[in-house]
Amino acid sequence: RKEVEQDPGPFNVPEGATVAFNCTYSNSASQSFFWYRQDCRKEPKLLMSVYSSGNEDGRFTAQLNRASQYISLLIRDSKLSDSATYLCVVNIGGSARQLTFGSGTQLTVLP
Amino acid sequence: ETGVTQSPTHLIKTRGQQVTLRCSSQSGHNTVSWYQQALGQGPQFIFQYYREEENGRGNFPPRFSGLQFPNYSSELNVNALELDDSALYLCASSKTGTVNEKLFFGSGTQLSVL
Repeated sequence: RKEVEQDPGPFNVPEGATVAFNCTYSNSASQSFFWYRQDCRKEPKLLMSVYSSGNEDGRFTAQLNRASQYISLLIRDSKLSDSATYLCVVNIGGSARQLTFGSGTQLTVLP
Repeated sequence: ETGVTQSPTHLIKTRGQQVTLRCSSQSGHNTVSWYQQALGQGPQFIFQYYREEENGRGNFPPRFSGLQFPNYSSELNVNALELDDSALYLCASSKTGTVNEKLFFGSGTQLSVL
């Protein structure tokens, strides 16, 4: 079983749609959680951290359920520029800043 | 722009050769991590360097090695290249000890092994 699992997609949605991505992680010792965005073969960029209380950044909402070891990302009012691969990322902590990435979910927003 | 620079951007090698990839960290950052991203996969942690020493390693064989220099820049060396080493190699820098330490990635080196 992979440490971080995501639905690979692709998700093809029209502009303005709401889309949700889910992710599960296997290590209950995981301490911090993130969503990264990656455009085609470019570097991953931090989209947002994910907190147990849930957090929102504009059109993006992230949720964490530690009991179920489940993370989600909701994108409202999708824009063409949201087209990218979304990577679910966890850090189990310790001395090294070792991030474990999921394989990513590909999103295409259609005009 | 993250301020993390990698060189070269693209590289073609043949099986059995050795390769060195370079990374300059963002100003003020003291830690460098290296990741390997195969096509269609998420990045996988190779190792991290802090204070010029390896400070954590993922599931990669010893032919993957690295260095960190006093100016915090870093090198990734891969010996005896295999076809499966073809991937995007990403370097990320951070400042160990900061609250909510975040990683900033360079744009990567695309390595093709023929």
